[in-house]
Amino acid sequence: GAVVSQHPSWVICKSGTSVKIECRSLDFQATTMFWYRQFPKQSLMLMATSNEGSKATYEQGVEKDKFLINHASLTLSTLTVTSAHPEDSSFYICSARDVRGFPDTQYFGPGTRLTVL
Amino acid sequence: DAKTTQPPSMDCAEGRAANLPCNHSTISGNEYVYWYRQIHSQGPQYIIHGLKNNETNEMASLIITEDRKSSTLILPHATLRDTAVYYCIVRPSINFGNEKLTFGTGTRLTIIP
Repeated sequence: GAVVSQHPSWVICKSGTSVKIECRSLDFQATTMFWYRQFPKQSLMLMATSNEGSKATYEQGVEKDKFLINHASLTLSTLTVTSAHPEDSSFYICSARDVRGFPDTQYFGPGTRLTVL
Repeated sequence: DAKTTQPPSMDCAEGRAANLPCNHSTISGNEYVYWYRQIHSQGPQYIIHGLKNNETNEMASLIITEDRKSSTLILPHATLRDTAVYYCIVRPSINFGNEKLTFGTGTRLTIIP
């Protein structure tokens, strides 16, 4: 199988601070990773597509200046929530695209629960 | 992308086979059917995918109808740990350049002891 990790698994921060979430593919290289957000009792919503070595592609309605994505290596993508506010409290989940098989398969991390006070 | 329709919830007795249906009547010839599940407060877990042939792995079986307009995920011997929300997603193969997964509302499967 393919393993994707996220760190931290949960974080509590004060309003106005920034929080960085890491997503790592542990046993495969991923040129493409994805960031999702999930509010309680709702489904996953794609926020952005992260490509190694290039700028991320954001979904409509997602503020790129607020949710900074960096994909600096083939196994690591980071999501930074800048100037977090209580409405940013959510479950953030990343996935990594494994292209070793055809078609490719996305494997998901365990998620990071962000609470902004 | 083709859309999918799944029942919002299902119950299944522990030890029995759980059969989860999915309708994807507008699926295109190049689109695969993927199944994921999400246990409470965890990230989604990949289960299986297929194009037109039936597929089986250590977790489940995927039965796709001949016209490809619907499919069924089968968990052969359901356990309490299979309680989760199951998502059926259709998506083109990567060669067609659309790698996104669009999650619907899924089916909440509850395994009854």
